[in-house]
Amino acid sequence: QKEVEQNSGPLSVPEGAIASLNCTYSDRGSQSFFWYRQYSGKSPELIMSIYSNGDKEDGRFTAQLNKASQYVSLLIRDSQPSDSATYLCAVNMSSGGGADGLTFGKGTHLIIQP
Amino acid sequence: EAGVAQSPRYKIIEKRQSVAFWCNPISGHATLYWYQQILGQGPKLLIQFQNNGVVDDSQLPKDRFSAERLKGVDSTLKIQPAKLEDSAVYLCASSQGMGLAPLLHFGPGTRLTVL
Repeated sequence: QKEVEQNSGPLSVPEGAIASLNCTYSDRGSQSFFWYRQYSGKSPELIMSIYSNGDKEDGRFTAQLNKASQYVSLLIRDSQPSDSATYLCAVNMSSGGGADGLTFGKGTHLIIQP
Repeated sequence: EAGVAQSPRYKIIEKRQSVAFWCNPISGHATLYWYQQILGQGPKLLIQFQNNGVVDDSQLPKDRFSAERLKGVDSTLKIQPAKLEDSAVYLCASSQGMGLAPLLHFGPGTRLTVL
């Protein structure tokens, strides 16, 4: 069973602090990793993708990937109340035949306290 | 560019009834996905189309769910008969092609309630 694990939270972070979200995955052959943000009642929106070990920065967001540990994380710097949402980790697990549908974790509910 | 369109946005039915959802992907996107998202969980892939062919339907409950994408553009997902546990948001997503780095664009979803 190919799985993506996330702590469901809620994770409460003061405004202006760094929020750290973590994700582990079971398929060692996975090659593509994504973070989606989902506001209540809305559909997921892509905020970061990462394919190589190390860090990738985009504005206030940094994605970190460690394939050896099968671990992906998302850091949000200078957290704002508008960052309050559920963050979904998604992994493209190797399944062959061109199938590339993402496997999602359950999501971490992030609350930024003003 | 226009986003992924879905209809209806909300649907309430009784168990054992049938229901159909419609999706129109972003223009030019060859790959279309249907996901099921139960409250409190992440989206779960039901079926993936490449143009009008099925690439992956391994998690589709084929005894009650069916999907088609006849002309390689619009798609319809059907449930017949519906069960209580089918209550969920059904998300359609599209991407430009297939590969190891699919960038999925999600539609607004259809919220299904089965009574």
